[in-house]
Amino acid sequence: QQQVKQSPQSLIVQKGGISIINCAYENTAFDYFPWYQQFPGKGPALLIAIRPDVSEKKEGRFTISFNKSAKQFSLHIMDSQPGDSATYFCAASGGGSEKLVFGKGTKLTVNP
Amino acid sequence: SAVISQKPSRDICQRGTSLTIQCQVDSQVTMMFWYRQQPGQSLTLIATANQGSEATYESGFVIDKFPISRPNLTFSTLTVSNMSPEDSSIYLCSADGNRATNTEAFFGQGTRLTVV
Repeated sequence: QQQVKQSPQSLIVQKGGISIINCAYENTAFDYFPWYQQFPGKGPALLIAIRPDVSEKKEGRFTISFNKSAKQFSLHIMDSQPGDSATYFCAASGGGSEKLVFGKGTKLTVNP
Repeated sequence: SAVISQKPSRDICQRGTSLTIQCQVDSQVTMMFWYRQQPGQSLTLIATANQGSEATYESGFVIDKFPISRPNLTFSTLTVSNMSPEDSSIYLCSADGNRATNTEAFFGQGTRLTVV
């Protein structure tokens, strides 16, 4: 049973464009929603995270939008750059557990 | 954030042998986790390594195949035992921060294992 569904599987964006990746979760006990960025040959690195007490969180060019009623959250990358080309994973945890449940990942390619 | 050193970074092993992966954190952490990631795929949790108690394994993973040690709050090992080609994967350790204080989870660089 996949508890966090991520889409799209791959995404191609032109430099300067907006990249949008979506995730939906099933477990209403989840209360922590991070996004990780992974470059080839590297471990995942935390990009930005949100808790359900806010609907949006912005850090630089990266924004998480959170819709608790719809059980969805998304990552927006503004002014996308070729250096943003990586695989992005959404994740969730909560309900008394620190274990992270990951989405399947989105491979982002930003063309120059 | 803390730094995790994981080694080896990669290895090629013969089937039937075992490999122990080490994970060292530069600060004390309560919980450490071991994941497996097939190339191009997502992360699958193998087990949670707790200091002072047995590791907690996820469905589909057993202690005999993936024994884990956690001798202190900064170190853990994962052994992949009696390896077969199906064990070829990337193994990642993660150290968990404290959700209450918004200290986030962070990952090692991973160990790329190839079983021949």
